Amino acid sequence: AQKITQTQPGMFVQEKEAVTLDCTYDTSDQSYGLFWYKQPSSGEMIFLIYQGSYDEQNATEGRYSLNFQKARKSANLVISASQLGDSAMYFCAMRDSGGYNKLIFGAGTRLAVHP
Amino acid sequence: DAGVIQSPRHEVTEMGQEVTLRCKPISGHDYLFWYRQTMMRGLELLIYFNNNVPIDDSGMPEDRFSAKMPNASFSTLKIQPSEPRDSAVYFCASSLAAGGLEAFFGQGTRLTVV
Repeated sequence: AQKITQTQPGMFVQEKEAVTLDCTYDTSDQSYGLFWYKQPSSGEMIFLIYQGSYDEQNATEGRYSLNFQKARKSANLVISASQLGDSAMYFCAMRDSGGYNKLIFGAGTRLAVHP
Repeated sequence: DAGVIQSPRHEVTEMGQEVTLRCKPISGHDYLFWYRQTMMRGLELLIYFNNNVPIDDSGMPEDRFSAKMPNASFSTLKIQPSEPRDSAVYFCASSLAAGGLEAFFGQGTRLTVV
């Protein structure tokens, strides 16, 4: 069965510094997709970044980048130049191999950005 | 586009009552998902639809839960009868056909059963 593991329940970082949020996954499929979502205190789920299993380059979206290490089955999110508004819950998710875009989520990491 | 629209945003009901949560997906999206979020269990997929047809309802916790999608622009999740342990945030999400495209989430419905 596919599984997403986020081992950091909480992280904190100083404003303007970079932070890495860990995510490992388990799947026997060759084709899969990995996603990161942000959930601020207001509760909505905001898509941040996507990495396909066949993508050779690490995905980047502005201050977000995904450190994809396929052999290690890890897809860590790197946030550069942290801002106070980055304080939120961050979820790693994997698209199911069934091709139906079903997302399986990790437990999440709560990030606190300190001034 | 207005995004995925869920209603109500908040619902407080008494145990034993019927609760209906509503979702309008993004126009043109083929897939619709219902998730439940709790502190203990995180985000769980309850059921999802493809072109209005339920594909997998294995995440629905009990027979008290049911979901329908009568057309491409509307879905409901019903709990009858509701119980305190159903208290959670329920999210609806939609996406285009399979591929690298993300799911777009609604604002969620915070359900409290007292």
